[in-house]
Amino acid sequence: GQNIDQPTEMTATEGAIVQINCTYQTSGFNGLFWYQQHAGEAPTFLSYNVLDGLEEKGRFSSFLSRSKGYSYLLLKELQMKDSASYLCAPMDSNYQLIWGAGTKLIIKP
Amino acid sequence: GAVVSQHPSRVICKSGTSVKIECRSLDFQATTMFWYRQFPKQSLMLMATSNEGSKATYEQGVEKDKFLINHASLTLSTLTVTSAHPEDSSFYICSARDGTSGGADTGELFFGEGSRLTVL
Repeated sequence: GQNIDQPTEMTATEGAIVQINCTYQTSGFNGLFWYQQHAGEAPTFLSYNVLDGLEEKGRFSSFLSRSKGYSYLLLKELQMKDSASYLCAPMDSNYQLIWGAGTKLIIKP
Repeated sequence: GAVVSQHPSRVICKSGTSVKIECRSLDFQATTMFWYRQFPKQSLMLMATSNEGSKATYEQGVEKDKFLINHASLTLSTLTVTSAHPEDSSFYICSARDGTSGGADTGELFFGEGSRLTVL
């Protein structure tokens, strides 16, 4: 079956760095997306990885290891507005995104 | 990036009535749109895949006759919740894949703002 595993909740301090891990099992693989979702709002795109390695985009970076079925999202210089849920979503062989429940990130001053 | 507009953002209706939610791609053509439902503190659940000019493909467990989807043009898909009941109260979100080469290469989805439905 298809499965996504992320921590349910994480807490970090403003200005710090946090890494949100994601392991997945899918039927085929066509890349992995990370989305940010604030409470009551729709998800917004953060990153897409299809090859192994690290993709850096400003304060956010995303890493992928296809052989391990593993990805992480790294957030640097945390700001209060980064408090949100972070959704790891791999794409299967049918180009369908598989959604997990996400990781709720709480930023404290 | 591409913009997807969803309307209405909030709707309250009486049990037994029907509600229509619109999803528009404003600056790109979307041959495929997706409709999701999200209950509080749960993940997005794909309800159906809407293809322009053809019938929608529904996920297992989603009632076709209750959730009517119409994708009449390359920029508009609608979801109608028929005979709504309190258990249909949820956050409904649409997304679309840009049909141009850039969007198609990455498969990136662009999401509407979401519609919160409350059935009394």
